Amino acid sequence: DQQVKQNSPSLSVQEGRISILNCDYTNSMFDYFLWYKKYPAEGPTFLISISSIKDKNEDGRFTVFLNKSAKHLSLHIVPSQPGDSAVYFCAASGRAGGTSYGKLTFGQGTILTVHP
Amino acid sequence: KAGVTQTPRYLIKTRGQQVTLSCSPISGHRSVSWYQQTPGQGLQFLFEYFSETQRNKGNFPGRFSGRQFSNSRSEMNVSTLELGDSALYLCASSAAQGLFSYEQYFGPGTRLTVT
Repeated sequence: DQQVKQNSPSLSVQEGRISILNCDYTNSMFDYFLWYKKYPAEGPTFLISISSIKDKNEDGRFTVFLNKSAKHLSLHIVPSQPGDSAVYFCAASGRAGGTSYGKLTFGQGTILTVHP
Repeated sequence: KAGVTQTPRYLIKTRGQQVTLSCSPISGHRSVSWYQQTPGQGLQFLFEYFSETQRNKGNFPGRFSGRQFSNSRSEMNVSTLELGDSALYLCASSAAQGLFSYEQYFGPGTRLTVT
């Protein structure tokens, strides 16, 4: 049962254009969402997060949008740069059953390639 | 501030052996979570420790265990290794206070190969 899904295994974008990465979740107990960037053989790097009390959060070139009714979030990167090429994971957590937010549930990842 | 460190970075073990991996969190972080990454299953949560207590556990067999020390450093242990345990093991720390949500910062991982 995959509770967090990234349906696009890969995305290719031209430098300077917008990259949009999508993520869907099924567990309504999730209320905190994060995006990570990962290079092979390295740990994920935190990019940006959003709480369910918001529908948008911005940090520089990165913006995350949350649509709670659709159980959908997206990461926008504007403008895209070749150095953004990596695997992007969305992750979710929540206080289900009184537990802490220490458990992140990850999607399968989307490989982003930004062409010069 | 130094990031999350994990030792060793690479490890080769034989089936049936046991292994201990170590994680030092970012200074001041009291929550440490462990994850396993494999090509087939992706990133999966193993367990979380906060103030020396395990408070979250994923769906892994009892061969996987962990602990946290009073300085927040954590270790995970895998006993009776199986070929399927070959993976990248990631540790993450968080400034979480109590149950609230904070971002997790990951270490570089330990690449375990079981032969």
